[in-house]
This record gives sequence, C-alpha cells and structure tokens, in this order.
Amino acid sequence: GEDVEQSLFLSVREGDSSVINCTYTDSSSTYLYWYKQEPGAGLQLLTYIFSNMDMKQDQRLTVLLNKKDKHLSLRIADTQTGDSAIYFCAENLSNDYKLSFGAGTTVTVRA
Amino acid sequence: NAGVTQTPKFQVLKTGQSMTLQCAQDMNHNSMYWYRQDPGMGLRLIYYSASEGTTDKGEVPNGYNVSRLNKREFSLRLESAAPSQTSVYFCASSVGRTNSYEQYFGPGTRLTVT
Repeated sequence: GEDVEQSLFLSVREGDSSVINCTYTDSSSTYLYWYKQEPGAGLQLLTYIFSNMDMKQDQRLTVLLNKKDKHLSLRIADTQTGDSAIYFCAENLSNDYKLSFGAGTTVTVRA
Repeated sequence: NAGVTQTPKFQVLKTGQSMTLQCAQDMNHNSMYWYRQDPGMGLRLIYYSASEGTTDKGEVPNGYNVSRLNKREFSLRLESAAPSQTSVYFCASSVGRTNSYEQYFGPGTRLTVT
C-alpha cells in the first residue's frame, strides 16, 4: 500500500484555481514530486521540490511544502480544460532512487 | 529523442499464456523500473534495476521476472499470466543516484488477461 495519501477526485471550474493536497509519511524524504497523467498516456513530471524548501513556483504551478505536517500541495492557477488529468504526488524514499506514489487525484475541469 | 519507449501498447492474453513487455530508453540513464497501475491504487513498483547488471524486487514482484539486457533495455516477463495481472504497465528510467532522482515514464502497455 501507499505511504502517500491523496484525495481521489477534484472538480474545478475553468479559470478558477485548483489545489491538490498530499500527505506523506517518510520524514527523511529528500524530494517530493508532482506528476500529471493525461488519458491513455504515461506520467509526465510537472515539478518537484527539495525538502529544505517551503515553496516553489513555476508559471501557473505553485508547490507548497509543510515538513512539520508532512503535507504537500499543488496549486494550479487559472485552471484550463487541458489541466484535466490525474495528478500523482510522489516522494523519494530516504535518498534512495525509488519513489513512492500516491493513488492519484483525478481533476475534472468544467466549463 | 524518443525518451522511454514500450512495446506493445495493448495486449490480450489468455490465462496461462506468457509474454514479454519490452522497454528501452535513449537518455543514457542508469536506473530503470517497472510499475503496474491499477484503479485507486496508484503505481506499484514490480522490479527495478539500479544499474546495468543488477535487478531487485519491488513491492509486487510475484508472477513476474525481469531482464536488464543492456543499459538501454529492461524487459518484464509474465511466465503464466493470471487475470490478476490485468493492468497498465509502465516502464520508467532515471539517471540513478543523483541530485533529484526524477523518473521519466513510457506511454504504458495495457494488458488484459482473460
């Protein structure tokens, strides 16, 4: 089973902001990642954050990390229909090259 | 630059049949991985290869075998397919022990076992 937990579904109106949340359990995780999976495709790395950072911004994407609570979030500003996808949170386990993935959050963007 | 490629894209097997899923990467990565994706369960690691010549079990290795043929190629074999192995299989690769450990994924193989 996963050590990374995410809510399974999120519905958002086009143009609004989306916030996808994730909790992880390995306090020694060095990196945390967000991947996007579009229908019928593989996973695409969106962004990652190093564990000594609180925030990382990349265009419409903002990642927030709360190490004390082991909470990671991904905010997508001005959500578009092309943002409809499954979003996976993942952690790097104790500086090992293996990643542990959450179950994924299905984001549906409605007009 | 193709990245990570997988063949076939789709496959239907009967229970007890065998098959090999192929994966290749052209990014000169050291590490390669096989995952399965099932609804509501995220990705589970089947096997991985930290470097050419080594393979290790992941979270769900039973019923599978792997071969790291060379640095580019990592295959996954189902010796006697079972309906429980119906899933989407993803291959991934990464540089290896490095600063950020990110993995790059292939498009997946959708396998149905009847």
